[in-house]
Amino acid sequence: KQEVTQIPAALSVPEGENLVLNCSFTDSAIYNLQWFRQDPGKGLTSLLLIQSSQREQTSGRLNASLDKSSGRSTLYIAASQPGDSATYLCANRAQTGANNLFFGTGTRLTVIP
Amino acid sequence: DVKVTQSSRYLVKRTGEKVFLECVQDMDHENMFWYRQDPGLGLRLIYFSYDVKMKEKGDIPEGYSVSREKKERFSLILESASTNQTSMYLCASSLSGAYGYTFGSGTRLTVV
Repeated sequence: KQEVTQIPAALSVPEGENLVLNCSFTDSAIYNLQWFRQDPGKGLTSLLLIQSSQREQTSGRLNASLDKSSGRSTLYIAASQPGDSATYLCANRAQTGANNLFFGTGTRLTVIP
Repeated sequence: DVKVTQSSRYLVKRTGEKVFLECVQDMDHENMFWYRQDPGLGLRLIYFSYDVKMKEKGDIPEGYSVSREKKERFSLILESASTNQTSMYLCASSLSGAYGYTFGSGTRLTVV
């Protein structure tokens, strides 16, 4: 079964810093990988979706990369802001098995003003 | 933008009550999902549906059932609510294949 791990579990940075969140997975037979943001007590907001044939996707200050062969994805956040404070989850959609997403454990990010 | 709407943000129910959680999506997605999220356990799939009247068990279906009579609506039913079903419930929808998922805003259910 696909296992998805996110490191670190928590991260605290001063405002303005660039940062990288990591996601690793065990099965490279995926359709895509999706990064989500979750604010406390809220649902998941999709940030970026990378198809298995793509290497990266960008949206504003966010850039996500995918290296399927090594089972890794990163989410790069440039010039962090206090409003970026949230939990970030990666999830991939496997090509085999049930129609389902496999979620990582999440990274809780705090950006200190 | 695709919207997934969950009917309630917060619910408080008594033990033994029958509880209905409703989810509606507006983009003609064939797949719909119900997850629960608990601290330290992450998101766990309860049930999903890939077509009207079709349903499949996820990882933790015990104590739950679902209904999908129309393509846009997927209901989660707690037949007899128990305190261990206190949780955040998240609904999602997607097209099949290499498409992303869209999630609702969640329902925080407390069973007392």
